Amino acid sequence: SYELTQPPSVSVSPGQTARITCSGDTLPKQYAYWYQQKPGQAPVMVIYKDSERPSGIPERFSASSSGTTVTLTISGVQAEDEADYYCQSTDSSGPVFGGGTKLTVL
Amino acid sequence: EVQLVESGGGLVQPGGSLRLSCAASGFTFSSHWMHWVRQVPGKGLVWVSRINGDGSSIRYADSVKGRFTISRDNAKNTLYLQMNSLRAEDTAVYYCARDPGSGSSWFDPWGQGTLVTVSS
Repeated sequence: SYELTQPPSVSVSPGQTARITCSGDTLPKQYAYWYQQKPGQAPVMVIYKDSERPSGIPERFSASSSGTTVTLTISGVQAEDEADYYCQSTDSSGPVFGGGTKLTVL
Repeated sequence: EVQLVESGGGLVQPGGSLRLSCAASGFTFSSHWMHWVRQVPGKGLVWVSRINGDGSSIRYADSVKGRFTISRDNAKNTLYLQMNSLRAEDTAVYYCARDPGSGSSWFDPWGQGTLVTVSS
């Protein structure tokens, strides 16, 4: 089955830049999406169609793609950004999520 | 405001059944594909099923095919997931989510989730 690979954890200090990668063979052909999930809460979409930011999502959230890897970048990380982040794309079987990355703000 | 509210979760014995509901408001429900996604506590997100706007196109993950049935009542703005032959591995928080892309398979927004526990 198709897989999207994310690092299990990323740690940054407040004000620094966090980068979370997601790798998958079909990413060059399919859009990637990113979701933020805080403890006890439902996921919230922070990036859609590779690099579009929904209204209401802070400008410090951005994303890019290169080949089989997409990257979520959070510039000037704040304490409130500490959460799990999931990438998502689609293959012939349906939507697929990455395993998630826990972002820790030191 | 777009809102999705799930209900129907609870404790059920292995082999039992449960029906989840997702009440939608704040948007034209019949115009949107809808999905169910589940999450074992402490683990990642897993897509379960999706249905198009008029219910004519349905798809399931292999893990639930033949046991779960997705449906919708557009007159009641409600999405359903009928879960039969439940197994311990079906224990999870179940989220409903709207597909903004008319079948492009992305999720925004999500409901708050309802916990299903399969245990004897």
